[in-house]
Amino acid sequence: GAGVSQSPSNKVTEKGKDVELRCDPISGHTALYWYRQSLGQGLEFLIYFQGNSAPDKSGLPSDRFSAERTGGSVSTLTIQRTQQEDSAVYLCGGGRLNTEAFFGQGTRLTVV
Amino acid sequence: AQSVAQPEDQVNVAEGNPLTVKCTYSVSGNPYLFWYVQYPNRGLQFLLKYITGDNLVKGSYGFEAEFNKSQTSFHLKKPSALVSDSALYFCAVRDMNTGFQKLVFGTGTRLLVSP
Repeated sequence: GAGVSQSPSNKVTEKGKDVELRCDPISGHTALYWYRQSLGQGLEFLIYFQGNSAPDKSGLPSDRFSAERTGGSVSTLTIQRTQQEDSAVYLCGGGRLNTEAFFGQGTRLTVV
Repeated sequence: AQSVAQPEDQVNVAEGNPLTVKCTYSVSGNPYLFWYVQYPNRGLQFLLKYITGDNLVKGSYGFEAEFNKSQTSFHLKKPSALVSDSALYFCAVRDMNTGFQKLVFGTGTRLLVSP
């Protein structure tokens, strides 16, 4: 595709429910990032995938958060037992090794 | 650890005037430096990068940035601001030498260009 695609663009969920956020990166981009942007806040690193290497999970805020990347392409970020503080925009980006990252439009998650 | 500081939450400038958005960084090795822009309800758009070479790098929409190693700065500049430049700007750094690929972002600077 022409760019990074994230779905859904908006998600409203009830507290305690699980959610899955999807990222479809640009073909050939081996690096993939997930960031979280809370209202009025900067960008918080969550997780990084590079090729077949073990992901850097150092930014995941709790064990309720997990992510996987299948076949070196599509990635899914899963949040279990959502809490209101999980409400944020979740941004996915990708790129080639040692170059800039290109980001999708983000998924706005609202936990009510 | 890598870090980025954007000391100004907001920068106000009149249309047609030059603008500067400040960024300083800290890395243990050599930096890769990036600027991104975010328009309301949009994702991040890449503006420009410094990897190596000339200290002055040019990017999209007439923006440029100057890498200053002694001052550990990478300020974003534009000679003549447009109202349409009003957006949120993020500086980011990656440490080249560690192999650690995480992009660390600053807290962002809101640019407001008045007509």
